[in-house]
Amino acid sequence: DTAVSQTPKYLVTQMGNDKSIKCEQNLGHDTMYWYKQDSKKFLKIMFSYNNKELIINETVPNRFSPKSPDKAHLNLHINSLELGDSAVYFCASSQRQVNSYEQYFGPGTRLTVT
Amino acid sequence: SQQGEEDPQALSIQEGENATMNCSYKTSINNLQWYRQNSGRGLVHLILIRSNEREKHSGRLRVTLDTSKKSSSLLITASRAADTASYFCATVASKDYKLSFGAGTTVTVRA
Repeated sequence: DTAVSQTPKYLVTQMGNDKSIKCEQNLGHDTMYWYKQDSKKFLKIMFSYNNKELIINETVPNRFSPKSPDKAHLNLHINSLELGDSAVYFCASSQRQVNSYEQYFGPGTRLTVT
Repeated sequence: SQQGEEDPQALSIQEGENATMNCSYKTSINNLQWYRQNSGRGLVHLILIRSNEREKHSGRLRVTLDTSKKSSSLLITASRAADTASYFCATVASKDYKLSFGAGTTVTVRA
């Protein structure tokens, strides 16, 4: 059984388009995250939701909008895609406890903007 | 901003040898974690060491933490070809519990 799943796995699109990536976790966790991994493998957090409430919102262009319909889902919508948005996007989840925050990652979505 | 920095950036060893990689960080932490990423895959959690711990073991993995030097090391003993991957340290900051990743060490184990 997949713990954290993302769709699609690959996304190729043209500049200016709008696209969405979906994420679901079946671990019963209360916190979900979106990360962006660039070509140098640097992983940067973008957003985090705890019980459907936005708790982390890093300096990300407002073309990126996360949506959490419930604790098990966190989707990422990107408007007006740019070349620089090409990267691998990872969803993750954790149970928010003091002295923990071990995260479980999805397989990633490779976004290519042409 | 990036919190942890791994050293070396890349490491190539023979099967059976040990692999050691280091991580340095800047701010006060609650805990430090190590993750593995195989090519084209998501990150997998390996081990977590809390700020009041100095050493931890899990199978062939040994992690040390020196909070006075703000550094950690990950040792993989008796490496196998399947250990070929990128390894990331990640710190959980004391002030906001945000997880911040380093740039990773790419380990290649030659058969």
